[in-house]
Amino acid sequence: DADVTQTPRNRITKTGKRIMLECSQTKGHDRMYWYRQDPGLGLRLIYYSFDVKDINKGEISDGYSVSRQAQAKFSLSLESAIPNQTALYFCATSDIGQGIGETQYFGPGTRLLVL
Amino acid sequence: GENVEQHPSTLSVQEGDSAVIKCTYSDSASNYFPWYKQELGKGPQLIIDIRSNVGEKKDQRIAVTLNKTAKHFSLHITETQPEDSAVYFCAASSSNTGNQFYFGTGTSLTVIP
Repeated sequence: DADVTQTPRNRITKTGKRIMLECSQTKGHDRMYWYRQDPGLGLRLIYYSFDVKDINKGEISDGYSVSRQAQAKFSLSLESAIPNQTALYFCATSDIGQGIGETQYFGPGTRLLVL
Repeated sequence: GENVEQHPSTLSVQEGDSAVIKCTYSDSASNYFPWYKQELGKGPQLIIDIRSNVGEKKDQRIAVTLNKTAKHFSLHITETQPEDSAVYFCAASSSNTGNQFYFGTGTSLTVIP
């Protein structure tokens, strides 16, 4: 979805390096999410933010940190990358729903390889 | 937390046949169930969703059914076409847990021309 962009799209780094993945959205949504996708494991939630002042840990937050710089920007950092953080990372956004459920819109993903 | 199981992990069908993917969930408070399609090199894209106040929803060749008692929901694709080939993910969420999505592990669907 062009409304949700991620940079970089691909990244190779070495163990111990600090890495930042960035996400921007033009959908005007308040809620943003970071997921990790591994083969056979589906998508797992790392962190999520319901507004600029709100940050919450997801299912697998260890080894990651996030920053919500503005409504439209949500960054994911790996302070000291390790090989088992090699994965496909997705950013998503959603709006405050009217009733049950909120559709999430995903970016194109960042493929990260940690050597 | 919620646990979503998805079957099968791979599915091959002949073009024109139907495909069915099934998911079960554990949290009876879950009330929103989206299905996403992920094509190679792209992010997941919503194709259909269902809320707990309905039992079935259709959109052209795609339908989703929900059985709240049994805690399972299914995706049905009729008259499959080669462009339906992709990985499909189900998910469940609940307003009780901040509307977090819990995803199934995905089904790789191949439609054979």
